[in-house]
Amino acid sequence: DTAVSQTPKYLVTQMGNDKSIKCEQNLGHDTMYWYKQDSKKFLKIMFSYNNKELIINETVPNRFSPKSPDKAHLNLHINSLELGDSAVYFCASSHKQRQGYTFGSGTRLTVV
Amino acid sequence: QQPVQSPQAVILREGEDAVINCSSSKALYSVHWYRQKHGEAPVFLMILLKGGEQKGHDKISASFNEKKQQSSLYLTASQLSYSGTYFCGTEARGATNKLIFGTGTLLAVQP
Repeated sequence: DTAVSQTPKYLVTQMGNDKSIKCEQNLGHDTMYWYKQDSKKFLKIMFSYNNKELIINETVPNRFSPKSPDKAHLNLHINSLELGDSAVYFCASSHKQRQGYTFGSGTRLTVV
Repeated sequence: QQPVQSPQAVILREGEDAVINCSSSKALYSVHWYRQKHGEAPVFLMILLKGGEQKGHDKISASFNEKKQQSSLYLTASQLSYSGTYFCGTEARGATNKLIFGTGTLLAVQP
C-alpha cells in the first residue's frame, strides 16, 4: 500500500500547454504539501494545505493552482507551461506539527 | 533563506564516519533530516525539537544547537546503503508547517 501516491510519474509536454498532477495520501495526515526540486537538487516549498485550507503559498506564479478536494488529496494544476517549469514535483504529507514528512515518489515534468 | 549545509559532498570508505552540518540564519523551532537516493523521494530520518536535543537512529544520530541555529548529522561506521543526498529541513519560529530545505550534502560510500 503506497502511503503517498502521485500520478503521473513522468510528464512530457509542450510549452503553453496546461497539465495537472494528482496526489493522494492514505496515512490520515492532515497537512499536505507541494515541493519543487530543480536540476540542482534544491527542494523548494510551493504550497501547504491543512484540512483542505491553504496555509502556505510561496512566491509561485499564479499559473500554478493547487486544489484540495478533501484532506487526503492535493492536486496541482499548471497553466501555460514554460521551459523553466521543468523539474521534479513532490507531494508530501505530515500529521500535525513536529512530525516528519512522507513524500510521494515525484513527478518528473519536462517542458519542451 | 535557505539553510546552508557543509560539506557539499563527501566520499567515504565503508566503516568510516562522517558529519554533516546545517546552519540557519533564523531562530529555529525544529530541524528535520532526510536522505534522498538518486531518482527517489526524500526519506525522513529524524526530527529534533529542543535545543541541545540529540537523537539516534541505528548508527545515525543528530544534534541541535538552538542558540547557534545549527544542527549536525553524525553517521558512524558508514555502510554502502548510507549513500545519497542528505538534506536538513528547518522550521523557523513563527513559521511552522513551512519546512525549508538546506542546500544538500552528497554522500558516497565506497567499498
